[in-house]
Amino acid sequence: GAVVSQHPSWVICKSGTSVKIECRSLDFQATTMFWYRQFPKQSLMLMATSNEGSKATYEQGVEKDKFLINHASLTLSTLTVTSAHPEDSSFYICSATGGKTYEQYFGPGTRLTVT
Amino acid sequence: DQQVKQNSPSLSVQEGRISILNCDYTNSMFDYFLWYKKYPAEGPTFLISISSIKDKNEDGRFTVFLNKSAKHLSLHIVPSQPGDSAVYFCAASTGANSKLTFGKGITLSVRP
Repeated sequence: GAVVSQHPSWVICKSGTSVKIECRSLDFQATTMFWYRQFPKQSLMLMATSNEGSKATYEQGVEKDKFLINHASLTLSTLTVTSAHPEDSSFYICSATGGKTYEQYFGPGTRLTVT
Repeated sequence: DQQVKQNSPSLSVQEGRISILNCDYTNSMFDYFLWYKKYPAEGPTFLISISSIKDKNEDGRFTVFLNKSAKHLSLHIVPSQPGDSAVYFCAASTGANSKLTFGKGITLSVRP
């Protein structure tokens, strides 16, 4: 149980284009989903928290107009990187939690490369 | 200000021996702590957790100890196996469905 998937697993896009990453909870209803970013050899940096049906809460320093998050259903959240630039190249990971629980279950991550 | 600290970046242990991974925190509001294991280019995998009302939680080869007065927790892996080689992250939470605050991680290498 508690499986989270991400799609795509890796993506290459040109500078200036937008990329959408999907995060799905496969066997549970995710009331809350989180989006993280990880740079090489660094810890996970929380970008935003999204609750189903409401606007995402962004961490300080994260541009909400650049990183659009939608959590339209209890099993799906999407992160859209708009007008991507090479500095947006990173490993993006989502996590999900359902019900009144502390444990977060992570997706496998998406490697984004912007050329 | 780093609220969750994993001060040792790496640890090397002989197969069969005990691995002890340490974590310190500064925020007294944290009431739940988790350990995750991560391989490169993969998402973290949940290992074990502990509530602040307990001082020990055990699951197979993994045991987590919590010392609230010292704001310190540790993960014990015994016996260590080569497959345990990975990066281990300590994380803390202030409530259910709340965000996790992660440490920087420690790279564990288990030598055959």
